[in-house]
Amino acid sequence: DTAVSQTPKYLVTQMGNDKSIKCEQNLGHDTMYWYKQDSKKFLKIMFSYNNKELIINETVPNRFSPKSPDKAHLNLHINSLELGDSAVYFCASSGGQGDYGYTFGSGTRLTVV
Amino acid sequence: RKEVEQDPGPFNVPEGATVAFNCTYSNSASQSFFWYRQDCRKEPKLLMSVYSSGNEDGRFTAQLNRASQYISLLIRDSKLSDSATYLCVVTFSGNTGKLIFGQGTTLQVKP
Repeated sequence: DTAVSQTPKYLVTQMGNDKSIKCEQNLGHDTMYWYKQDSKKFLKIMFSYNNKELIINETVPNRFSPKSPDKAHLNLHINSLELGDSAVYFCASSGGQGDYGYTFGSGTRLTVV
Repeated sequence: RKEVEQDPGPFNVPEGATVAFNCTYSNSASQSFFWYRQDCRKEPKLLMSVYSSGNEDGRFTAQLNRASQYISLLIRDSKLSDSATYLCVVTFSGNTGKLIFGQGTTLQVKP
């Protein structure tokens, strides 16, 4: 009974392709996030949605577009993939602003070749 | 300067050893502090929150020094299962729940 599930777990694709990663949480949390962990292991926030509303958009290229159809889902679409996009992308959720009880998904390892 | 800095290690210690990790943060407005643990190829998981008064959870003790903008984690009686990367995490008021991670310190406990 996974709390935060993201798919796919692994994604290998060619440069220039468009791909999506899906995330769903069944915790009833109001806030969802996308984090990126690069090859140097730094985890950095990309986006945050609270009740389907975008509240954080960190200087991420506009090739990355999050979409939240409802508060339980936050998907990430990436256009025109580049080699530098290779990383592990983690979805997470929390009870809301000021609640730091995060639950992370297991990650999507994206490799662009 | 990175917002949260940690020595990446690795720290190689024998079972039963006591090991300490340090972390410094640059933003004096930082509000909340945490240690997360990340196993290889897994997601980060909250290990413990860090309070100004210091707090302990079994073999783990966390300390916060706001004046020096410094956080520490002490692990006593290390177990093989403690081998992981330990991430120092801070947040600051008004940042809508954003976690700011350090690079992590890798611990390898050997038999």
